[in-house]
This record gives sequence, C-alpha cells and structure tokens, in this order.
Amino acid sequence: KQEVTQIPAALSVPEGENLVLNCSFTDSAIYNLQWFRQDPGKGLTSLLLIQSSQREQTSGRLNASLDKSSGRSTLYIAASQPGDSATYLCAVGPNYGGATNKLIFGTGTLLAVQP
Amino acid sequence: SQTIHQWPATLVQPVGSPLSLECTVEGTSNPNLYWYRQAAGRGLQLLFYSVGIGQISSEVPQNLSASRPQDRQFILSSKKLLLSDSGFYLCAWAFSTEAFFGQGTRLTVV
Repeated sequence: KQEVTQIPAALSVPEGENLVLNCSFTDSAIYNLQWFRQDPGKGLTSLLLIQSSQREQTSGRLNASLDKSSGRSTLYIAASQPGDSATYLCAVGPNYGGATNKLIFGTGTLLAVQP
Repeated sequence: SQTIHQWPATLVQPVGSPLSLECTVEGTSNPNLYWYRQAAGRGLQLLFYSVGIGQISSEVPQNLSASRPQDRQFILSSKKLLLSDSGFYLCAWAFSTEAFFGQGTRLTVV
C-alpha cells in the first residue's frame, strides 16, 4: 500500500530565505507526482506536475525534483515571500491507477514566511 | 480555459438529514471526476471517482454515494448524515495526468 509522508509538518522562515519541502513515498512504481498549495479554508492549487519519466519541473521560484528509486521528491522555493505562506501538499499517482489518475496525498507541510 | 465549480461553500446539517453537494466542470469534455474528503488534521482521502457518465467507483466503504448524471456534473449524496461525515469535501477533475481542484465545501454535521 502506497504511503506518502511529508517532513516537516510545519516550517517557519524569515522572508527571503530559500527553503526545501520534502515528500517521501513507499512504492516507487508511480505514474506521476503533483505538488499543490492550499490556503486556509480553500481548495488546492496545482503548482507542479512531474511525470514518472521526469527528474524535475520548474515554475518561477519553484522547483520540484523527483527521485523514484529513493522514493523522494523535494519542492524548492527560492527567495520566499509572505505570500508563500500556505500548506503544501504532495500527491502521488500510483502506477496501477495511471488511467484514472487517482492521487494519494501526504498530510502536508504548513509553511509560514515571516515578513 | 477549464474551470470547476463546487457548491455550497459551507453547510451545517443535522445528524440524519440528507446531503447533496454538486460539482460542475467547464471547458473540457469527458474528464475524470473525483470526490475527496479532508478531515481535520488528516490528509485528503479519495472517496469516489468517475471516468464517464454513470460510471462510479467507490474507494472506501461509507455513508455516502456519488452520481454522474451528465458528462461534467458530479454529485455527492447521503440519505442520512452521520457526525463522522463532517469534513472538507473537494471535487477534482483530470483530463490527462494533472488534477485540478474546486474550492471545497466545509460540511459540519451537528
């Protein structure tokens, strides 16, 4: 059974700092991995999608990497801003569920960027 | 562009009452549709998914049901709500490999 873990559960950093959020999964046979942002009481916003054949994706100040063999993904946020404060969720699409794109989520990292 | 609508945003219902949450998608055809639930302090759990009209797959046994009467409409229902049904319900769609979520419905069963 696929399990997704995110460390740390919470993180507080000063504005301008570069930071890394971690996601690990137990079954390396994945279809894709997706990073989301969730603001309090809101839905999920897709940040980056990494296909199983890819090693990384970049969007603006965000960079996500994927190492299937070790069961890990990292989300790198450069020059953090107070507006980056949110919960960041990692989700894995298992290989058997590729056609249906069912996602298995971690419990998230709550990020607070202090001005 | 594609958009997903989910309503209502918040709902307070007594135990034993019925439930109907609706989700519609615009700007795409034949999407895969999903209902997830996010309980306090826990991750998102997939409840139902649908790959086409009338095709519903349930991921976990529970007090809820889902229906897809139209290509871009997905409905989550219950005949009698339980206290344990409280949570944040999210609808999502995916056409290829990327999933997109609605703004969610906060359900409180009292």
